[in-house]
Amino acid sequence: KAGVTQTPRYLIKTRGQQVTLSCSPISGHRSVSWYQQTPGQGLQFLFEYFSETQRNKGNFPGRFSGRQFSNSRSEMNVSTLELGDSALYLCASIDSSSDNEQFFGPGTRLTVL
Amino acid sequence: AQSVAQPEDQVNVAEGNPLTVKCTYSVSGNPYLFWYVQYPNRGLQFLLKYITGDNLVKGSYGFEAEFNKSQTSFHLKKPSALVSDSALYFCAVRPGFRDDKIIFGKGTRLHILP
Repeated sequence: KAGVTQTPRYLIKTRGQQVTLSCSPISGHRSVSWYQQTPGQGLQFLFEYFSETQRNKGNFPGRFSGRQFSNSRSEMNVSTLELGDSALYLCASIDSSSDNEQFFGPGTRLTVL
Repeated sequence: AQSVAQPEDQVNVAEGNPLTVKCTYSVSGNPYLFWYVQYPNRGLQFLLKYITGDNLVKGSYGFEAEFNKSQTSFHLKKPSALVSDSALYFCAVRPGFRDDKIIFGKGTRLHILP
């Protein structure tokens, strides 16, 4: 069974631009979560989607948004990028048949210049 | 507030020696507890989890963790460290079964010295 796919793996943007990151969960998983990892703040929860609906949301500004499609693929969008948005963005595919265990993708490394 | 603490930013252990990476948590109820490992430029890999039952949980790569409810701790252990165990380790808690938000500790960098 294929793992969690995140694209692109690396991204460089400038301040003020917007960015869209993609996550394809493990086949059969209907829920995904997104996390931001930075050296200073560690891993922080962004949001979680289940069957195209946002089910949970972390404490991030409205510039951070997401969505999920009918095939369970998810995207997250960050608008008006700031230097502090530079981070590794991790997507987790959630297995509801196994205690909601989360399987993480390799992440997208976003650098904002 | 719900939180996870990993008191050590870095742990150095000689190869072949036992290792312990500490974790304490502050969550109400009966949380689910996890350990993940992260290698450079990689995502998180699941090591083990505690949900209920035996306080000693065995996981991948020879790691185990001991759940202590009275001390609200979930320390990661391995009897004999390998150089390849060098990585960043995260303790995490999920407050409840229906809650898919995971709260992570800051991470502990483990260095195994040859």
